[in-house]
Amino acid sequence: DTGVSQDPRHKITKRGQNVTFRCDPISEHNRLYWYRQTLGQGPEFLTYFQNEAQLEKSRLLSDRFSAERPKGSFSTLEIQRTEQGDSAMYLCASSQGESFTEKLFFGSGTQLSVL
Amino acid sequence: GENVEQHPSTLSVQEGDSAVIKCTYSDSASNYFPWYKQELGKRPQLIIDIRSNVGEKKDQRIAVTLNKTAKHFSLHITETQPEDSAVYFCAAPSFSGGYNKLIFGAGTRLAVHP
Repeated sequence: DTGVSQDPRHKITKRGQNVTFRCDPISEHNRLYWYRQTLGQGPEFLTYFQNEAQLEKSRLLSDRFSAERPKGSFSTLEIQRTEQGDSAMYLCASSQGESFTEKLFFGSGTQLSVL
Repeated sequence: GENVEQHPSTLSVQEGDSAVIKCTYSDSASNYFPWYKQELGKRPQLIIDIRSNVGEKKDQRIAVTLNKTAKHFSLHITETQPEDSAVYFCAAPSFSGGYNKLIFGAGTRLAVHP
């Protein structure tokens, strides 16, 4: 499968714990995005990378969230001291280009449940 | 501000009827308007997109129209089929304040009844 892959598919954690998700984009794509989706809502932008550079981060995003994309390949999203409000589907997407006019290819997401 | 509003939130049609979903955006600099389809339990997938230099684009039973003056764009599905049942999201890039991102609407749940 040469699409965007995310790991794990599901994560259940207790409040206060740290969690880390991984995304492997399509290999030739230079842009990688993280979105969060809750039930009945559209994907909410979190951050995006162009190659290894993190170009934007949502102003609504807590300091507990951090993302990296070392070497411009896979990316990790870490949430520290998780809260119940962090429960959501975390989607990764990748694209090839220099603007926001390219097709996004989404992964299947990581479903996070914070108890 | 940066906002993409989508209507209706739910839409129910009979097989063979047409369905129209409308989105409005706030950033006048937005220049690209994609539509994504998300079937239950699956990832969002692009079904059609339009750039700001054209007013309409068609792909078989699906079309998108853009009105830049009014800042709205619409998805039109003709001759709907049960497999069109899904959640549809519109999106638009926002460049306000030098802060760039692609914003999605809240989604429209389309149900096509046989």
